[in-house]
Amino acid sequence: GQQVMQIPQYQHVQEGEDFTTYCNSSTTLSNIQWYKQRPGGHPVFLIQLVKSGEVKKQKRLTFQFGEAKKNSSLHITATQTTDVGTYFCAGGGNEKLTFGTGTRLTIIP
Amino acid sequence: ETGVTQTPRHLVMGMTNKKSLKCEQHLGHNAMYWYKQSAKKPLELMFVYNFKEQTENNSVPSRFSPECPNSSHLFLHLHTLQPEDSALYLCASSHRYRGRDTGELFFGEGSRLTVL
Repeated sequence: GQQVMQIPQYQHVQEGEDFTTYCNSSTTLSNIQWYKQRPGGHPVFLIQLVKSGEVKKQKRLTFQFGEAKKNSSLHITATQTTDVGTYFCAGGGNEKLTFGTGTRLTIIP
Repeated sequence: ETGVTQTPRHLVMGMTNKKSLKCEQHLGHNAMYWYKQSAKKPLELMFVYNFKEQTENNSVPSRFSPECPNSSHLFLHLHTLQPEDSALYLCASSHRYRGRDTGELFFGEGSRLTVL
């Protein structure tokens, strides 16, 4: 079945540094979604990418969908303490979303 | 307010107890989901209901029994659970188009379950 892996599993950065998480699928995806889960909270939808090579930005967050539609990345520029949490990608395949393993981001003030 | 409400938020039960988790969505979606989140498997899909019909059962043990009386309500009945079933159980809803997940999932705040 479809598998979606994320790296790294954990990332500790100094406040102000950049952060990137990568998502790789074993199969070609129809779309990719990204979610953020704050500590003690629930996953909240951030964005969806559909087109090959698509790049979308939300303020300091940049999302990219690979040309082959099998990988994606989320890049945060100049991290802030509010960016703390776990970031999940979720790949859309034939019918259902498959969530990645998540990257837990912690910020050192 | 997420539009998806889960109760109870916390539940402690013994292995011989029977309890239920409840989820209600106020978003007019046609699909509802149960996910299990634990340290070992971050987000594990359990069940999917589309227009009250179960369309996905991800090899979940029979001690978990879902019920979907209508498109707005979803239950997870629990009986004779094991300590390894302790986890955060998340309900979600979305709009499915032609049986496929095409839109975002809206998650509830979760029910934190502890099995003693």
